[in-house]
Amino acid sequence: AQSVTQLGSHVSVSEGALVLLRCNYSSSVPPYLFWYVQYPNQGLQLLLKYTSAATLVKGINGFEAEFKKSETSFHLTKPSAHMSDAAEYFCAVSDRIRAGNMLTFGGGTRLMVKP
Amino acid sequence: DAGVIQSPRHEVTEMGQEVTLRCKPISGHNSLFWYRQTMMRGLELLIYFNNNVPIDDSGMPEDRFSAKMPNASFSTLKIQPSEPRDSAVYFCASSIPTGGGPTGELFFGEGSRLTVL
Repeated sequence: AQSVTQLGSHVSVSEGALVLLRCNYSSSVPPYLFWYVQYPNQGLQLLLKYTSAATLVKGINGFEAEFKKSETSFHLTKPSAHMSDAAEYFCAVSDRIRAGNMLTFGGGTRLMVKP
Repeated sequence: DAGVIQSPRHEVTEMGQEVTLRCKPISGHNSLFWYRQTMMRGLELLIYFNNNVPIDDSGMPEDRFSAKMPNASFSTLKIQPSEPRDSAVYFCASSIPTGGGPTGELFFGEGSRLTVL
């Protein structure tokens, strides 16, 4: 069984400040890990994914995440927040062994960016 | 390129009525997923199809919910009878499964917001 825990349902940062959204996973097999972003009244779109290549993964809009097996973490960061980054962010894990793309999502973290 | 298309975008209905939500996946994608999103429960996977065949429906909450995929370009999620607790945003997503290889990306539609009064 897999699970994802996102620490902090709400995170508030000032424009230009570092963004850090935390994600810890539990998986009995080596995982694939994803970050998705959801803007208001829209579906989810992929920010980045880890599929066992480089442990530091770069995504769209200046976001990146680092896979740390020893900490079972996949935290999302961005050096400088922009107002347009305000959205809800979801971490997800999938079982690379099983066929298909069944993802287990975390509860989400709403990012607020203050001017 | 057209993305995943869902209809209706908004539906308001009364308790006891039948609700049908529709989804057209991206052409060429042969996996389709129905998710439900609520404030209380977050994103929940309801059912997953591969090549039009339901693979895992363990997330379907109860017998009032049913989903079909009659062909590769169309799926429906039906609730009959609907109840106020079914109020949520229902998302459809599609992808290309890769068997034992790296998993791919899920492409989400914009969702159908259901309100049951």
